[in-house]
Amino acid sequence: NAGVTQTPKFQVLKTGQSMTLQCAQDMNHEYMSWYRQDPGMGLRLIHYSVGAGITDQGEVPNGYNVSRSTTEDFPLRLLSAAPSQTSVYFCASSGTSGSYNEQFFGPGTRLTVL
Amino acid sequence: AQTVTQSQPEMSVQEAETVTLSCTYDTSESDYYLFWYKQPPSRQMILVIRQEAYKQQNATENRFSVNFQKAAKSFSLKISDSQLGDAAMYFCAYRSATTGRRALTFGSGTRLQVQP
Repeated sequence: NAGVTQTPKFQVLKTGQSMTLQCAQDMNHEYMSWYRQDPGMGLRLIHYSVGAGITDQGEVPNGYNVSRSTTEDFPLRLLSAAPSQTSVYFCASSGTSGSYNEQFFGPGTRLTVL
Repeated sequence: AQTVTQSQPEMSVQEAETVTLSCTYDTSESDYYLFWYKQPPSRQMILVIRQEAYKQQNATENRFSVNFQKAAKSFSLKISDSQLGDAAMYFCAYRSATTGRRALTFGSGTRLQVQP
């Protein structure tokens, strides 16, 4: 099993450009989420999904869009990149059966917006 | 909303010694989970240990153990016999057990240095 994969690992954008961060998991997990990590701060939730076709906002959703057309994939879109979106982005997934399900994290994408 | 506070931005420990990382949290819920994650320079988030709030017994995983004080809303991590490979950022995290959101709320992290 590959677990949670993210592409690309690094990306540099210019202000105003758009791009999509890819996230995929092969564990048949229903729950997927995106976090951003800024220096001196912990991870903060951007968006999450409890299943295909269902998404919702997290703590810091502005400037980001998501969709969930399949169980496996949960892409994060930046429509018009801003320097404030320079960060490390993590995707995570977990199952939803039972009372506890560990969240598995991808390796992260380091994004720089100039 | 829940908050998680880690008041020690950096800690240092000698190899083979014991170190304790502090974490406090604020919640109005009675049923939740608490976690410690390790983030080495590779950036990978690694689950170290977890604690269910309804369990009074403190969780242990080999050299890692927690001191969970529910009334005080405190959740510290003790690392015994510290090793060079323990050097990393450590994040305390909270998750509600009563909602379907499963989102984690993280503290700001503690950078642990291990001196040889």
